[in-house]
Amino acid sequence: QSALTQPASVSGSPGQSITISCTGTSSDVGGYNSVSWYQQHPGKAPKVMIYDVTNRPSGVSNRFSGSKSGNTASLTISGLQAEDEADYYCGSYRKTDTSHVVFGGGTKLTVL
Amino acid sequence: QVQLQESGPGLVKPSETLSLTCEVSGYSINTGPYWAWIRQPPGKGLEWIASISRSGSSNYNPSLRGRVTISLDTSKNHFSLKLNSVTAADTAVYYCARDRGGGCSDSWGQGTLVTVSS
Repeated sequence: QSALTQPASVSGSPGQSITISCTGTSSDVGGYNSVSWYQQHPGKAPKVMIYDVTNRPSGVSNRFSGSKSGNTASLTISGLQAEDEADYYCGSYRKTDTSHVVFGGGTKLTVL
Repeated sequence: QVQLQESGPGLVKPSETLSLTCEVSGYSINTGPYWAWIRQPPGKGLEWIASISRSGSSNYNPSLRGRVTISLDTSKNHFSLKLNSVTAADTAVYYCARDRGGGCSDSWGQGTLVTVSS
């Protein structure tokens, strides 16, 4: 069981918008602005799409955006394109008795 | 531009030690700020293993604590992972990555598959 909870799958048609949620606790998502989102295509290494909840690395399309409310972070992809079909993972800094990083179980995005 | 490349045995016997190295190029490992190992069992999700700062301070996944050691070699511009007493459950693609802070891995190696089997 993953530390952060994501839906197993989401789908959308080209041009539509979708949102993927990532639910944690006050020890991770809710307590720190250190949530990242990763895109992973089959057989490839993950690629960061969002960091620190809302920031986009250079070169990432502005169709990708992040937000957070309480213990739940969200990734929104607008204007869906075929190449967006991939697995998406959220990750968060967690502080309990130790500092470490936790991931969500991943969400498979299907572009219909 | 930073590039990372994992290396190490692709097959490890149960109860033995898994050892991997991540060669960093195009960037000084002293700049950091952090360096991390992350793994992905076949067909499953990501699992963070450990990270180390440029000063050598390390953090570990509590579920692996006691079996794992991460280290830095600034003279060779690489960092390493050792995982003791491996079982089949440790079979995974192992990735090394640069952590820009806050647990965000912004550059990744291509990954290396390590299989634990006799």
